[in-house]
Amino acid sequence: KNQVEQSPQSLIILEGKNCTLQCNYTVSPFSNLRWYKQDTGRGPVSLTIMTFSENTKSNGRYTATLDADTKQSSLHITASQLSDSASYICVVSGFNTGRRALTFGSGTRLQVQP
Amino acid sequence: NAGVTQTPKFQVLKTGQSMTLQCAQDMNHEYMSWYRQDPGMGLRLIHYSVGAGITDQGEVPNGYNVSRSTTEDFPLRLLSAAPSQTSVYFCASSYSHNKNTEAFFGQGTRLTVV
Repeated sequence: KNQVEQSPQSLIILEGKNCTLQCNYTVSPFSNLRWYKQDTGRGPVSLTIMTFSENTKSNGRYTATLDADTKQSSLHITASQLSDSASYICVVSGFNTGRRALTFGSGTRLQVQP
Repeated sequence: NAGVTQTPKFQVLKTGQSMTLQCAQDMNHEYMSWYRQDPGMGLRLIHYSVGAGITDQGEVPNGYNVSRSTTEDFPLRLLSAAPSQTSVYFCASSYSHNKNTEAFFGQGTRLTVV
């Protein structure tokens, strides 16, 4: 069964600090991996999309890495801001019963404190 | 820039009642989908559509119906609401599901069935 596991479940950091969120997946065959940011009470918003051939992609202070061999990804947030407080969701695109499907992780809830 | 619009934002239903969650997008996207988000779980696909007149079941379709009479609209119908359908529902759209294209999400509908 396709699965996406994220760690940690929750994280508290001080404003200005860096942090790294982890994502391990068992989706096969693999098409792409996405990271989304979801603010409380809002829908997810895309941060990055990486295909099999890409091992790093940045979006401002967000940098995602992908190791397709070990099926691991990370999202690194640099110089955190209060507005980074949100849930971060790892999503892997693959195939399920012959159809392209997205498998969602349950997210890491990040709280940035002043 | 409306993007993906969902209505209503909040709804309380009694067990056995029916209702329709509305979703509209103004980006001329082919692919639209409905997800539900429950605490501690990743988003799960309910139904999806690859174009007007074409719909298919996702991972958790029971108790829900959809139709796609136009490119813009993709309503989700609850036939006879049950407490197990208490959840947050998200509609999403993307240009194509067969390419590495970004998915855009609505702001969600929080549904409570009592």
